[in-house]
Amino acid sequence: GIQVEQSPPDLILQEGANSTLRCNFSDSVNNLQWFHQNPWGQLINLFYIPSGTKQNGRLSATTVATERYSLLYISSSQTTDSGVYFCAPSGGYNKLIFGAGTRLAVHP
Amino acid sequence: KAGVTQTPRYLIKTRGQQVTLSCSPISGHRSVSWYQQTPGQGLQFLFEYFSETQRNKGNFPGRFSGRQFSNSRSEMNVSTLELGDSALYLCASSGGGLETQYFGPGTRLLVL
Repeated sequence: GIQVEQSPPDLILQEGANSTLRCNFSDSVNNLQWFHQNPWGQLINLFYIPSGTKQNGRLSATTVATERYSLLYISSSQTTDSGVYFCAPSGGYNKLIFGAGTRLAVHP
Repeated sequence: KAGVTQTPRYLIKTRGQQVTLSCSPISGHRSVSWYQQTPGQGLQFLFEYFSETQRNKGNFPGRFSGRQFSNSRSEMNVSTLELGDSALYLCASSGGGLETQYFGPGTRLLVL
């Protein structure tokens, strides 16, 4: 099955800093999503991005499917960005395979 | 549109009991997937139902089962609970094709 590696595992930032989170996957995929999990456990969808680049406010994501990686950019980070970020590709419909996540802490 | 809802939100059971969790998808969505999240194993796919049929299955023992009703609501059942079944159980819904999945708030199960 697909293996997913996320880096870095932990990230500490000062408010206002920029960051890049990386997701490597081992096989071709036809679906990839980025999620933010808040402290209450809710998984919030950030991007559906099997390929290409998308932007939503201070967040953007790029997936290079041929090279099997995806990047999530967070600019001008805020304390509310704290939490765990998951990359979840899928080789078949809705069977998402989650990475271990990147735990982000943004300090004021 | 209302989001994905899960009931109950919290549950405490003892070993050997069984439990049933419920998930109501976003209106119009026909696919419901279930995931288990534990500190040790992370987020793992359990199974997916689409139009009342199981379409995908993860690597969990037969104690974990599910079903989907004609209104797309889904239930998952865990029989003969073990301590290791303590977890956050999340369900997600989508239209069924290659598209965004939306997650519910989860059910926290504690097995004593």
